[in-house]
Amino acid sequence: EVQLVESGGGLVQPGGSLRLSCAASGFTFSSYDMHWIRQVTRKGLEGVSAIVGAGDTYYSDSVKGRFTTSRDNARNSVYLQLNSLRAEDTGVYYCARARSSSTNYFYYMDVWGKGTTVTVSS
Amino acid sequence: DIQMTQSPSSLSASVGDTVTITCRASQDINNYLNWYQHRPGEAPKVLIYATSSLQSGVPSRFSGGGSGTDFTLTIDSLQPEDFATYYCQQSYRIITFGQGTRLEIK
Repeated sequence: EVQLVESGGGLVQPGGSLRLSCAASGFTFSSYDMHWIRQVTRKGLEGVSAIVGAGDTYYSDSVKGRFTTSRDNARNSVYLQLNSLRAEDTGVYYCARARSSSTNYFYYMDVWGKGTTVTVSS
Repeated sequence: DIQMTQSPSSLSASVGDTVTITCRASQDINNYLNWYQHRPGEAPKVLIYATSSLQSGVPSRFSGGGSGTDFTLTIDSLQPEDFATYYCQQSYRIITFGQGTRLEIK
């Protein structure tokens, strides 16, 4: 079964750090771009970070310089390091696999984890 | 970044109705437009990718259309399980989502 399982969320004080993990199973992990997407409290979905191809990384403006994404293909895992956390980072963080084709012109998130909750509060 | 604007932000409808949600991109996205359904407490689920391709396992009452900067998601004959929040997403450049459309039971 194709599956993504996030972990590492929790309660942290403003300015603190967390490391989220996403464990993949049931597919050839190294062949896929991976994304972190969040739903902050009472708001919509936001793409937070992506790790694509040979390891290029991309970040939303709201987290650039504070969050870092990485992957370990030997462990079939992707990570999100969250530093300098703010109250507005509170929400559910999902990892997602991207299915893509440059010849058929599509790129979308076809597999999602159930999410892990990050709460930033004093 | 490419901005995605969805409308309406919320919508009330009855079981059996047909509804349409629209999404506008701030620039041409070459049909790299996807639609997701998000129910509370669940992971988002892709419905439509590349503007009009139905994801495997998704009922055919869901359909997508459009081109360039303007896109639509139509749900025919609403079912009780369809009441959720819907998001468009562009994947032509770094992914961005619309703000969501909350579909509620009238």
